[in-house]
Amino acid sequence: EDKVVQSPLSLVVHEGDTVTLNCSYEVTNFRSLLWYKQEKKAPTFLFMLTSSGIEKKSGRLSSILDKKELFSILNITATQTGDSAVYLCAVEPGATNKLIFGTGTLLAVQP
Amino acid sequence: DGGITQSPKYLFRKEGQNVTLSCEQNLNHDAMYWYRQDPGQGLRLIYYSQIVNDFQKGDIAEGYSVSREKKESFPLTVTSAQKNPTAFYLCASSTGQGGQPQHFGDGTRLSIL
Repeated sequence: EDKVVQSPLSLVVHEGDTVTLNCSYEVTNFRSLLWYKQEKKAPTFLFMLTSSGIEKKSGRLSSILDKKELFSILNITATQTGDSAVYLCAVEPGATNKLIFGTGTLLAVQP
Repeated sequence: DGGITQSPKYLFRKEGQNVTLSCEQNLNHDAMYWYRQDPGQGLRLIYYSQIVNDFQKGDIAEGYSVSREKKESFPLTVTSAQKNPTAFYLCASSTGQGGQPQHFGDGTRLSIL
């Protein structure tokens, strides 16, 4: 059965800290891995990682994909209170156009 | 601006009642999806449609129904057969082509009266 596991389930840090969120997966014919940020309502797209793009960076956020070990990490440096959210990892198996989501990591950044 | 609109934001259902959640997109996307989000369980796929007049069951389709009569619209009906409908419902769309992410609406929160 395809599955995506995220850790930790929740995390509390102080502004300025660096955090690392983890996502491991077991899927048939991996196609892509996506990270989303969900604050209150709609998850917003952060990164997509594929065989041809295993490292992405945008400002203070970066992500890498390890296809051999079947995991990805999302790094956030110099955290701000606005980074507080649930971070969702999702994987697309094969050419299905469907996503399998992990349970998410709840990040709280304290002033 | 292009986007996905879900309505209503909040919805209450009485026992034995069917309710319909609306999802409209103006992104010209072919594929649309419905997810259910419960605390601690992430997003679970209810139904998806890759083209007009066609849709497939996801992992938790029982007690739900959908239609895809227009490219822009993908309404979800929560039937009385769904015994635990209280959840946050998210609609998403994508081009349906490889390498493109899904984009989400703001969701509908459904509760039982």
